[in-house]
Amino acid sequence: SQQGEEDPQALSIQEGENATMNCSYKTSINNLQWYRQNSGRGLVHLILIRSNEREKHSGRLRVTLDTSKKSSSLLITASRAADTASYFCATETSSNTGKLIFGQGTTLQVKP
Amino acid sequence: GAGVSQSPRYKVAKRGQDVALRCDPISGHVSLFWYQQALGQGPEFLTYFQNEAQLDKSGLPSDRFFAERPEGSVSTLKIQRTQQEDSAVYLCASSWPGQGYHEQYFGPGTRLTVT
Repeated sequence: SQQGEEDPQALSIQEGENATMNCSYKTSINNLQWYRQNSGRGLVHLILIRSNEREKHSGRLRVTLDTSKKSSSLLITASRAADTASYFCATETSSNTGKLIFGQGTTLQVKP
Repeated sequence: GAGVSQSPRYKVAKRGQDVALRCDPISGHVSLFWYQQALGQGPEFLTYFQNEAQLDKSGLPSDRFFAERPEGSVSTLKIQRTQQEDSAVYLCASSWPGQGYHEQYFGPGTRLTVT
């Protein structure tokens, strides 16, 4: 069974707007990661945030983590049509294996 | 350099057939993972190898599923007597475990359709 729930399930915005996706999880984690999946392709790692971090930036991406609420958010600023994809949060609950538990994903459509 | 590759990319099997799915991880990556992704869902963990040792197979849905990585590099996921519910994309990922950092590199997946 999956650890996380993502919200919203689907999001449609115009190019240039910001997109925010939320993820909640159930158990204690070592770190939380976000992945992108383009239609028919494998997943691409975007960003990792450790359990002792609260915010992290990478280019147009900003991730926050609230371990007290067991939740995370991914913000994509100044979105582009090429950002159209499904986005998944994944939690690592053990540092010994790297096993990831994925959420259900948010499908983002960015209209040009 | 080369990423994770998987073969075949697409597989159609009749119910009851056995299938074998191959994963070539990134050279030198110690850890290898298999995930199953149903349509419209997130990937679900199946099994994990560290080198040739299968350290976690808690996600394998039944004893019809078997995975191996005999020489610590290429891995094969075998599904015996396939059922319709086995239809999914099977993803392989590899990583070089660092200090609490486990970015995984995913292959393109094998889409299995059981008819």
